[in-house]
Amino acid sequence: DADVTQTPRNRITKTGKRIMLECSQTKGHDRMYWYRQDPGLGLRLIYYSFDVKDINKGEISDGYSVSRQAQAKFSLSLESAIPNQTALYFCATSETGSSYNEQFFGPGTRLTVL
Amino acid sequence: GESVGLHLPTLSVQEGDNSIINCAYSNSASDYFIWYKQESGKGPQFIIDIRSNMDKRQGQRVTVLLNKTVKHLSLQIAATQPGDSAVYFCAENINSGYALNFGKGTSLLVTP
Repeated sequence: DADVTQTPRNRITKTGKRIMLECSQTKGHDRMYWYRQDPGLGLRLIYYSFDVKDINKGEISDGYSVSRQAQAKFSLSLESAIPNQTALYFCATSETGSSYNEQFFGPGTRLTVL
Repeated sequence: GESVGLHLPTLSVQEGDNSIINCAYSNSASDYFIWYKQESGKGPQFIIDIRSNMDKRQGQRVTVLLNKTVKHLSLQIAATQPGDSAVYFCAENINSGYALNFGKGTSLLVTP
């Protein structure tokens, strides 16, 4: 969905490096999410944010941190990358106030940790 | 752990045939379900959703059926086209909560 953008689209890094993945959205949604996708598995939630002052851990938050710089921006950081963090990372957004949580996804960032 | 799963990891169909992709869930508190399509190199794209107070919903060439008795969800694609080749995920929302719980996905391959 072009309304949700992620940078970079691909990144190769080394073990121990700090990495930041960025997400921006023009949908005007308050809720933003970071997911990780591994081959053969569904998407797993890392962190989510319901507004700029609200950050929450998801299912697999260890080794990750996030920053919600503005309503439209939500960044994911790997403080010290390790090889098992090699995966496809997706940002998503959804609308506040809806009881039904339709989420809109960005194109993904493919991260390889050597 | 996974409470949303798919019966078949891969499905091959001929162009023009109908496709049926199945999904089982285990949480009776699930109140909203979404089917996503993910093409290679892209993020998941919304196809169709259904709320737990419904048992059927139709879109353009797609139909979702929900059987709450056996906790089963299916996606039917009519007249499957090569552009339908992708991985399809079902996702559930529990108690109108914040997160979607995704299944592992089914790969649909449409052959000419």
